[in-house]
Amino acid sequence: EADIYQTPRYLVIGTGKKITLECSQTMGHDKMYWYQQDPGMELHLIHYSYGVNSTEKGDLSSESTVSRIRTEHFPLTLESARPSHTSQYLCASSEFAGDTGELFFGEGSRLTVL
Amino acid sequence: KNQVEQSPQSLIILEGKNCTLQCNYTVSPFSNLRWYKQDTGRGPVSLTIMTFSENTKSNGRYTATLDADTKQSSLHITASQLSDSASYICVVREAGNRDDKIIFGKGTRLHILP
Repeated sequence: EADIYQTPRYLVIGTGKKITLECSQTMGHDKMYWYQQDPGMELHLIHYSYGVNSTEKGDLSSESTVSRIRTEHFPLTLESARPSHTSQYLCASSEFAGDTGELFFGEGSRLTVL
Repeated sequence: KNQVEQSPQSLIILEGKNCTLQCNYTVSPFSNLRWYKQDTGRGPVSLTIMTFSENTKSNGRYTATLDADTKQSSLHITASQLSDSASYICVVREAGNRDDKIIFGKGTRLHILP
């Protein structure tokens, strides 16, 4: 079982609120990722990181921001949530060098913005 | 453009029956292909990994095949169980430097009926 944790699992908030989705992993993985997934749809990469102080934007444009101050922690922040941000957000991690590319996913954070 | 196409989009079978899911890709250069299982509301979990030189790999009742020449993979599920109801996602990793890309298919939603 993967040691990667996301909180909260479910969040319902009003428009304009600031939210932070937490993601932590205890596997010592250098690479971490945030994916956005609408119901029944594919995963879209919105942010990734190669390690501490590294953050990159993914294929899908997102108004969210991320930080990587510690290896094990990769939080995602929305400064002003809107209904269009309603989605499931999945955090993942993988080893960096010489890996075969297995992504270990958290359980996801389902965000609903009213 | 690197793409991963899966078929069928959805599938309904009776418990105990076998089924085969298909994945076609155009990713090049190819590194590996993984099948993930995603239960509703959860994060995906890796089932199998196929590298260029591998043709068949089994994981319990799951058997994956890879034809690197035709760029096709399949996931065969034997003697299906109710717990097999999930989305199955084909994920192909593009070989390269540290910016190796991971391309997701849209998944096949499998429903097992009792």
